[in-house]
Amino acid sequence: GEDVEQSLFLSVREGDSSVINCTYTDSSSTYLYWYKQEPGAGLQLLTYIFSNMDMKQDQRLTVLLNKKDKHLSLRIADTQTGDSAIYFCAERSDKLIFGTGTRLQVFP
Amino acid sequence: NAGVTQTPKFRVLKTGQSMTLLCAQDMNHEYMYWYRQDPGMGLRLIHYSVGEGTTAKGEVPDGYNVSRLKKQNFLLGLESAAPSQTSVYFCASSYLPDRDYGYTFGSGTRLTVV
Repeated sequence: GEDVEQSLFLSVREGDSSVINCTYTDSSSTYLYWYKQEPGAGLQLLTYIFSNMDMKQDQRLTVLLNKKDKHLSLRIADTQTGDSAIYFCAERSDKLIFGTGTRLQVFP
Repeated sequence: NAGVTQTPKFRVLKTGQSMTLLCAQDMNHEYMYWYRQDPGMGLRLIHYSVGEGTTAKGEVPDGYNVSRLKKQNFLLGLESAAPSQTSVYFCASSYLPDRDYGYTFGSGTRLTVV
């Protein structure tokens, strides 16, 4: 069946780069997404990548997709305290399947 | 535009009580979804709808019912609430699956069943 896995926690120093990893199982996924959830809020779409791409850059965000290994990563350059949140990856074939979320903590 | 609006934002229920959560979207999206979010488990799909008048079961449908009488509204009902249904509930909507816009989420309903 469909399954999306992420590590639960990541802690980084302000100004460093953060890399959040995700593995998925459904090879028919057309789009893969990264969502951000701040405390007490809903999920906000950060970025997405189409399955025939291997990289997408959007300002401080870089998404890398290794379709062979079914591995997706999100790199945040120059991480700021405002980036502290839970990050969810999700795959989509006919509906979105979410990972468990990675809580990113940024310390000064 | 308001996007996706969920009501209520908070609710405390006693075991066995019933309630309905309302989700409304003003983006003319075809698809609507109800998820529950529990610590360490991410978001799990309860029910979804692919258009007005349609509903389908998701990953964890037991104990919930849904209705989509109007395209813009998707209702989630709990007929007899149980403590295991204590969770944060999110509604989302989207265009058809072949579009790349992802989902738009509401801000959530925090439900506690005592």
